[in-house]
Amino acid sequence: DTAVSQTPKYLVTQMGNDKSIKCEQNLGHDTMYWYKQDSKKFLKIMFSYNNKELIINETVPNRFSPKSPDKAHLNLHINSLELGDSAVYFCASSQVDRGGTTGELFFGEGSRLTVL
Amino acid sequence: DAKTTQPTSMDCAEGRAANLPCNHSTISGNEYVYWYRQIHSQGPQYIIHGLKNNETNEMASLIITEDRKSSTLILPHATLRDTAVYYCIVRVTGTYKYIFGTGTRLKVLA
Repeated sequence: DTAVSQTPKYLVTQMGNDKSIKCEQNLGHDTMYWYKQDSKKFLKIMFSYNNKELIINETVPNRFSPKSPDKAHLNLHINSLELGDSAVYFCASSQVDRGGTTGELFFGEGSRLTVL
Repeated sequence: DAKTTQPTSMDCAEGRAANLPCNHSTISGNEYVYWYRQIHSQGPQYIIHGLKNNETNEMASLIITEDRKSSTLILPHATLRDTAVYYCIVRVTGTYKYIFGTGTRLKVLA
């Protein structure tokens, strides 16, 4: 079973459209993340949720809206897509131990978004 | 901004040890050093982490200098499958934020 799974793996769409990427983890982790990797390969954190609560919200345009229906799922909805949104989006999860320390990240395989 | 600096690229002969350096001169006492790698365009994969002691697992060893301002990831017997981008990350204890730098592109040569 895949620990962190994202769908779709590839997404090609026109500028101005709205699209969603879904992420699910079966590791029982409390915390989930969205990272964006652009064409220069920089991995930048976008959002993080802990037990369905938003805890990290980097300077991301408000066209991007994460949603966590439960702690195993973190979806990313993007409105009015722009050319610059083309990137690979990675979902990740981690567990917080009893001492409050966050463990290592487990990443999904990525969702490659191409905006034409 | 990333708190680490790494060489852009390195080559290593297959079967030899690959030593990947990382500078984190502004690290604080409660910040861990993590290493991840990304093979081609797959999701990054955790390798190892440490606070101040040297660490070893089945994948690699992590050597942290006494002043904690730098560390070295060692892959003892590099194989072609170890060709990847290796990221050194500093994470503050109790926070959820991992900030990735530009990484080192390691090429293992046959």
